[in-house]
Amino acid sequence: GAGVSQTPSNKVTEKGKYVELRCDPISGHTALYWYRQSLGQGPEFLIYFQGTGAADDSGLPNDRFFAVRPEGSVSTLKIQRTERGDSAVYLCASSLTPGVGGELFFGEGSRLTVL
Amino acid sequence: AQRVTQPEKLLSVFKGAPVELKCNYSYSGSPELFWYVQYSRQRLQLLLRHISRESIKGFTADLNKGETSFHLKKPFAQEEDSAMYYCALSRSGGYNKLIFGAGTRLAVHP
Repeated sequence: GAGVSQTPSNKVTEKGKYVELRCDPISGHTALYWYRQSLGQGPEFLIYFQGTGAADDSGLPNDRFFAVRPEGSVSTLKIQRTERGDSAVYLCASSLTPGVGGELFFGEGSRLTVL
Repeated sequence: AQRVTQPEKLLSVFKGAPVELKCNYSYSGSPELFWYVQYSRQRLQLLLRHISRESIKGFTADLNKGETSFHLKKPFAQEEDSAMYYCALSRSGGYNKLIFGAGTRLAVHP
């Protein structure tokens, strides 16, 4: 596709529910990142995939959060037992090369609201 | 602690005025510094990085290791520069595990 695609663009759920957010990176980009942006803050790193494996998941806030990228392309961020504090915009980004010199291309984000 | 500080939430200027968006950082190693920009109803995108030493859309930023700063400057602001600007850093030689500041909204008035 032309850019990083994220679905859904908006998700409203109730506290305690399970949520999946999907990211389709730019074709051929091996590196994929998830960030979370809370209101009034800059994006915060969650997890980095190089290919199929999670190379760095140190930003995941707790074990309710999990992400997969089974075929090295599309990634899904999964949140169990959602809490009101999980409300944020979840951003996905990809880059052609894994190094910091590789430009990050961001999606438009998935806005999650937990009631 | 690794941190990026953007002290101004909002910077309001008139068209043609000089602009300086401040960014200070705290990092124990050798960082790479970036400016990202988000225009209204658009996605976050890279504006410039210190290692490239380039000027993009008239903006420049110089890394000052002594003052641990990476301020973004433009001599003459344009209305189309109005956007949200984020300063970010990453470990030199690492991957794009970026630490972002809270952002500064630049409003350029006619």
